[in-house]
Amino acid sequence: GAGVSQSPRYKVAKRGQDVALRCDPISGHVSLFWYQQALGQGPEFLTYFQNEAQLDKSGLPSDRFFAERPEGSVSTLKIQRTQQEDSAVYLCASSSGGVQETQYFGPGTRLLVL
Amino acid sequence: AQTVTQSQPEMSVQEAETVTLSCTYDTSESDYYLFWYKQPPSRQMILVIRQEAYKQQNATENRFSVNFQKAAKSFSLKISDSQLGDAAMYFCAYNNAGNMLTFGGGTRLMVKP
Repeated sequence: GAGVSQSPRYKVAKRGQDVALRCDPISGHVSLFWYQQALGQGPEFLTYFQNEAQLDKSGLPSDRFFAERPEGSVSTLKIQRTQQEDSAVYLCASSSGGVQETQYFGPGTRLLVL
Repeated sequence: AQTVTQSQPEMSVQEAETVTLSCTYDTSESDYYLFWYKQPPSRQMILVIRQEAYKQQNATENRFSVNFQKAAKSFSLKISDSQLGDAAMYFCAYNNAGNMLTFGGGTRLMVKP
């Protein structure tokens, strides 16, 4: 079956613009994760959903970051009033939901804020 | 908080040779999972191998194997018969009941023909 997909793959935004990043998880996967990966670094956790419930948003760096998964499938990560420090690759991962299940990653969205 | 450390920013190996990538982690938990992920230049993160902490036997997947030393909190990845397609960033990651993955800083592996 299809893997995790993300769109857009690349996004250039002017400082102060709002952006929305989309993640389509593997069909049937209950858990969905967002990570932020700065250039040359390992990914860092942002937030986690189980079905439509956002169970952990401790990694969101500021209140400008907002994520939702209203129907328990597709998720959107929204960044309001983008800043240059938001420039990074945003990775989405999904898993079947059991404890300690392997997470499968999408290709990421590379965001560049000018 | 858990931390994962990869002390080798870059490694190089000759094609067909063996290379070992190092990873150490810090946790107070006794039950957890460890992973190695590969990230080629296209940036799609791919699972290489996983290890359950309660298992004493080291995980193996074809040319990839781990040396898991629980007491030392060490989790190294050995790649045998290295191939050009193995060139990538490799990330060690930790997971426990929190479900989120904690990643190390990565090791860039170069494979020389």
